[in-house]
Amino acid sequence: DAKTTQPPSMDCAEGRAANLPCNHSTISGNEYVYWYRQIHSQGPQYIIHGLKNNETNEMASLIITEDRKSSTLILPHATLRDTAVYYCIVRRMDSSYKLIFGSGTRLLVRP
Amino acid sequence: DADVTQTPRNRITKTGKRIMLECSQTKGHDRMYWYRQDPGLGLRLIYYSFDVKDINKGEISDGYSVSRQAQAKFSLSLESAIPNQTALYFCATSDSAQYNEQFFGPGTRLTVL
Repeated sequence: DAKTTQPPSMDCAEGRAANLPCNHSTISGNEYVYWYRQIHSQGPQYIIHGLKNNETNEMASLIITEDRKSSTLILPHATLRDTAVYYCIVRRMDSSYKLIFGSGTRLLVRP
Repeated sequence: DADVTQTPRNRITKTGKRIMLECSQTKGHDRMYWYRQDPGLGLRLIYYSFDVKDINKGEISDGYSVSRQAQAKFSLSLESAIPNQTALYFCATSDSAQYNEQFFGPGTRLTVL
């Protein structure tokens, strides 16, 4: 599975968009990009995943570059409850089970 | 009720004691996982099970064992606990669909003195 690189921390103002980058330059064609978040020692929570097209759901949007070497998770209107550690994970889509968690990005949403 | 439950939520024990952490799920998923998390770090996979008769080692299985008693139950045992097994332990489940996301329990905070 490809390795990911994320900034250790970021912050944004409440109500503004939070844009969390992830570099996965060694990603291969059959690997998807997943995002999870963990709010203060709770169990991680799935946010979104994608292969090559941009994806949007009720929580966030995922923008994947055309070469698929990087992606950005967008929280369009961040709230204080979005303060969490965000993990970008790349994994294969065969029978692979693995979620390999790095150290993630700690997002602080400021009032 | 929560879909994935873990018991106990907190446990303090002594070196050399045998400890069992339990996980139950009501999601009807066939796959279950045990992870540990150390302070400031991401989660690491200990064991996983794709069905009742399937058990597989993860990244860091040494010092741990598991039992899949039923589709809904997956237990993690520390046969002889040691202080560096002090960590936050998470159970997770997923179904066998191709794009499966994992659903995590609330975690068990284990301290080994």
